[in-house]
Amino acid sequence: SYELTQPPSVSVSPGQTARITCSGDALPKQYAYWYQQKPGQAPVLVICKDSERPSGIPERFSGSSSGTTVTLTISGVQAEDEADYYCQSADSSGTYWVFGGGTKLTVL
Amino acid sequence: EVQLVQSGAEVKKPGESLKISCKGSGFTFTNYWIGWVRQMPGKGLEWMGIIYPGDSDTRYSPSFQGQVTISADKSISTASLQWSSLKASDTAMYYCARRATVTTNHFDYWGQGTLVTVSS
Repeated sequence: SYELTQPPSVSVSPGQTARITCSGDALPKQYAYWYQQKPGQAPVLVICKDSERPSGIPERFSGSSSGTTVTLTISGVQAEDEADYYCQSADSSGTYWVFGGGTKLTVL
Repeated sequence: EVQLVQSGAEVKKPGESLKISCKGSGFTFTNYWIGWVRQMPGKGLEWMGIIYPGDSDTRYSPSFQGQVTISADKSISTASLQWSSLKASDTAMYYCARRATVTTNHFDYWGQGTLVTVSS
């Protein structure tokens, strides 16, 4: 079955830039999406179609794509950005969706 | 305002059946796919499947095919997830979510989650 691979954890100091990667063979063909999940809360979409920012999401959140890897970048990280981040996409046919394993962002 | 309101927490015994629900409001329910996502304790998100209430077209993740049933009742704008025989390993938080558009593969609105606990 199709898989998306993320690093389990990323740590940054406040004000620094955090980059979270997500790799998958079908990413050149299928868009990737990023969700933020804080403890006890439902996920929230922060990036769609690789690099678009939904309404209400701070400008410090951005996304990019290169080949089989997509990257979520958080510039000027704030304490409130500490959360789990999940990439999500679909297999090459677009029939089955999949989430990455998630990355815990720690703000030191 | 778009809302997905899920049914309350459940505590069940192994072997029991269960149906949890997700009621949509603030949008035309029959025009949007509704999906289900599992999150086991301390673990990540898992896509279970998705249904189009307009015609009940349903797709399941291979990991969940045959393990659960996804259904929808468009007359009451409600999607459901059911089990015929629960296992302890079904203990998890279950989220419903709305597919943003028919041409994009992501969720834009999520329910608050339903915690299912299966224990003898």
